[in-house]
Amino acid sequence: EPEVTQTPSHQVTQMGQEVILRCVPISNHLYFYWYRQILGQKVEFLVSFYNNEISEKSEIFDDQFSVERPDGSNFTLKIRSTKLEDSAMYFCAIRVPEAFFGQGTRLTVV
Amino acid sequence: RKEVEQDPGPFNVPEGATVAFNCTYSNSASQSFFWYRQDCRKEPKLLMSVYSSGNEDGRFTAQLNRASQYISLLIRDSKLSDSATYLCAAQYGNKLVFGAGTILRVKS
Repeated sequence: EPEVTQTPSHQVTQMGQEVILRCVPISNHLYFYWYRQILGQKVEFLVSFYNNEISEKSEIFDDQFSVERPDGSNFTLKIRSTKLEDSAMYFCAIRVPEAFFGQGTRLTVV
Repeated sequence: RKEVEQDPGPFNVPEGATVAFNCTYSNSASQSFFWYRQDCRKEPKLLMSVYSSGNEDGRFTAQLNRASQYISLLIRDSKLSDSATYLCAAQYGNKLVFGAGTILRVKS
C-alpha cells in the first residue's frame, strides 16, 4: 500500500498567521489531493494537483489557499491568513486510482 | 439533493451480528465507488472499492445498484474492532465526494 507522510501532525496557530502543511509520498505520483474534515463533519475535497498544476479546486479553496510542489517530492498546502473556521484535519491523498490518505494534520486556529 | 448521502446512525449491534449500510449518490455519471473506515480523529482507510456490481472481501461485501444509485456495505459476524465510522465515497471526475459517514458500535 502506498504511504503518505504528513507533517506536522498537529499545529496550533493564531488567527491571521500563515501555515504550511506538508505531505511527502513514499513513491512518485502525479496526482495529489488535499481534503479537509472539520470536526464532526464530512471529508471535503479542497484541491487536486496534477503534473505540477492545479487541476481542480473546490469553492472552499479560495485565494487564501495555495498548493505547490517546491522540490519535486514535498507537496504543500499554504493558508495565508488563517481564520477560526480553518480549524480542521487536513489530509493529503494520492490516487492509484483509489485515494490513499496521509495520517493528517490537525490545524487549530485560536 | 446531497451528492452522497448516508444514514448517520449510530448502528448499535452485538458481536456476531450482521449489519448493512446504504449510501445513495446523485450523479449517475459516477463510475467508481469506495467504502472507507475512519477511526476517531484518524485518516480514512480504504476498505473496499466497488467498480461493477459488487465486491467481497472476507466478512465484508459491497454492492452497487446503478439503477437506484446506491451502494451498500454488509458486515457479517461483527467484531468489537469493527466499531468505527464508515464513509461512502463516489468518484466525480478526478476527485472523491464523501458522505458524512455511518457510525457503527459493536458491543459485547
